Amino acid sequence: AQSVTQLDSQVPVFEEAPVELRCNYSSSVSVYLFWYVQYPNQGLQLLLKYLSGSTLVESINGFEAEFNKSQTSFHLRKPSVHISDTAEYFCAVRPSGGYQKVTFGIGTKLQVIP
Amino acid sequence: DSGVTQTPKHLITATGQRVTLRCSPRSGDLSVYWYQQSLDQGLQFLIQYYNGEERAKGNILERFSAQQFPDLHSELNLSSLELGDSALYFCASSAGTATYEQYFGPGTRLTVT
Repeated sequence: AQSVTQLDSQVPVFEEAPVELRCNYSSSVSVYLFWYVQYPNQGLQLLLKYLSGSTLVESINGFEAEFNKSQTSFHLRKPSVHISDTAEYFCAVRPSGGYQKVTFGIGTKLQVIP
Repeated sequence: DSGVTQTPKHLITATGQRVTLRCSPRSGDLSVYWYQQSLDQGLQFLIQYYNGEERAKGNILERFSAQQFPDLHSELNLSSLELGDSALYFCASSAGTATYEQYFGPGTRLTVT
């Protein structure tokens, strides 16, 4: 079984400041890792994913996440946030072999302050 | 717009009642997943169907059941409702059973009074 820990339930940050949303996972097998974003009153959308290869993955809207196997982490970062980034962010994990269910973290609410 | 539709958007009902939530996956997707999102439990996986068959089960209560029909739409039935069942219920779909990305619908907000 795997688990995901998102260390911060809420992160307030000023507009144009950098942000890091932390995610740690636990698994006895190799995993795929995901970040999903949920804007107010909407469903979740995939932001980025790590499957294999380069440990640094990027999204189209400036977010990036780095897979760190030794620290079992997959932190999400953005060098300069915008008001439109205000949303809830979910880290998720699933084993890489065959089908297994995706386990989501409890979510981190990013509040961008003008 | 993810292409996944869910009805109704909101549902208010009383304890002890039964409700049915409906989900239509993206065109061509064979897998449907149901999740429950509450403030205290976060996003919990309930159940997955693939092409009409149950494929994986999560933290789904015995009072809850689901099915996927030949046209691939899915229904989640919640019975003997309790106050604690109040939550957002999301449906997601994906192309196969082992594909990486799930596309989420807008959710159904269930309020049990």
